[in-house]
Amino acid sequence: DTGVSQNPRHKITKRGQNVTFRCDPISEHNRLYWYRQTLGQGPEFLTYFQNEAQLEKSRLLSDRFSAERPKGSFSTLEIQRTEQGDSAMYLCASSASALSYEQYFGPGTRLTVT
Amino acid sequence: DAKTTQPPSMDCAEGRAANLPCNHSTISGNEYVYWYRQIHSQGPQYIIHGLKNNETNEMASLIITEDRKSSTLILPHATLRDTAVYYCIVRVADTGNQFYFGTGTSLTVIP
Repeated sequence: DTGVSQNPRHKITKRGQNVTFRCDPISEHNRLYWYRQTLGQGPEFLTYFQNEAQLEKSRLLSDRFSAERPKGSFSTLEIQRTEQGDSAMYLCASSASALSYEQYFGPGTRLTVT
Repeated sequence: DAKTTQPPSMDCAEGRAANLPCNHSTISGNEYVYWYRQIHSQGPQYIIHGLKNNETNEMASLIITEDRKSSTLILPHATLRDTAVYYCIVRVADTGNQFYFGTGTSLTVIP
């Protein structure tokens, strides 16, 4: 399967703990996006990379959130000092420059903060 | 990016055409209309997009009104696997940036 993959698929953590999610985009896609989705809502944009450069961050991305894409390939999203409000599905997507109308989404990581 | 308005839910009989409307009355001249769908427990999937002209691909057809203030996504022969949330999004063309998803239309295809 050469689609976007995300790990882990599910994560349960206690409030105050740190968590890290990984996204592996489709190879040769230079754009990578992170979204967050809560129940009954559409995905909300968090941040966006072109190669290793983080070009845009939503105001939803508080200081507790940090994302990296060190070599322009996979990306990680870390949440420090998790809160119950962080419980959501975290989606990753990638796209190629020439076809940026089509973002390919991964299956997501479901985070539950207890 | 312009906002869109979609009905929260719709039903469609299996084998019939599903027509999903979207209003985008404040769309700008350089904004495209995109449609994505999200099947339960999966990430969103691109369906189709267009600027002015009607578009068709193997999944669906997109009909955009002449004034571009509304559009309709047509699934010509709906199957049970088309049950999903459908999102209509308008965005400046090919900026490579994020999509702003609303709450979409939950389509249920009924056997």
